[in-house]
Amino acid sequence: EIMMTQSPATLSVSPGERATLSCRASQSVGSNLAWYQQKPGQAPRLLISDASTRATGIPARFSGSGSGTEFTLTISSLQSEDFAVYYCHQYNDWPFTFGPGTTVDIK
Amino acid sequence: QVQLVQSGAEVQRPGSSVKVSCKASGGTFSNSAISWVRQAPGQGLEWMGGITPVFGIANYAQKFQGRVIITADESTSTSYMEVTSLKSEDTAVYYCVHGSGQYSSLDHWGQGTLVIVSS
Repeated sequence: EIMMTQSPATLSVSPGERATLSCRASQSVGSNLAWYQQKPGQAPRLLISDASTRATGIPARFSGSGSGTEFTLTISSLQSEDFAVYYCHQYNDWPFTFGPGTTVDIK
Repeated sequence: QVQLVQSGAEVQRPGSSVKVSCKASGGTFSNSAISWVRQAPGQGLEWMGGITPVFGIANYAQKFQGRVIITADESTSTSYMEVTSLKSEDTAVYYCVHGSGQYSSLDHWGQGTLVIVSS
């Protein structure tokens, strides 16, 4: 099973600032990496697939990069609606696995 | 646009079983993949298993192997996920999630089904 780790566990950011979230896989997943956003009481929402492709309707302030074992999600200028939990997910191999999540909260 | 509608909340006794349904519309069910992901209260996302309806073969996380059964009915575009021998630790929201293929991101999520296991 591929283990996913995320850092930091919590990121405190002021609105308008840039946020950088990291995800690491225990072995290479190529570019088969996705990012999801989850707000309280809601189902997760796909933000990024294939490490860097924004999903339909996702604002350009969200960007993903990386390949192999190291990945980054960047939110260029945080808006109030971006404060949430973010999960990375590898779909390179079964079983699929998720990272533990990074909480982005208001500084 | 794919839509997934899940069955309603359940309260079950320890040791019993629960079966959650997930009806898909708006896409090509047979050629897609359906994953089941759960989230315990205050915890992260946990992938349980998935199925590609056209092949009819399910894959499971080792933790759930032997206790979870995932099936798909192509005629009704519905996937089912059954958990047997329920424990209190199985209390969670269970999501069915659509992927465009066997190895793809999870692009459309059901609304979630809360399962409470309590005596």
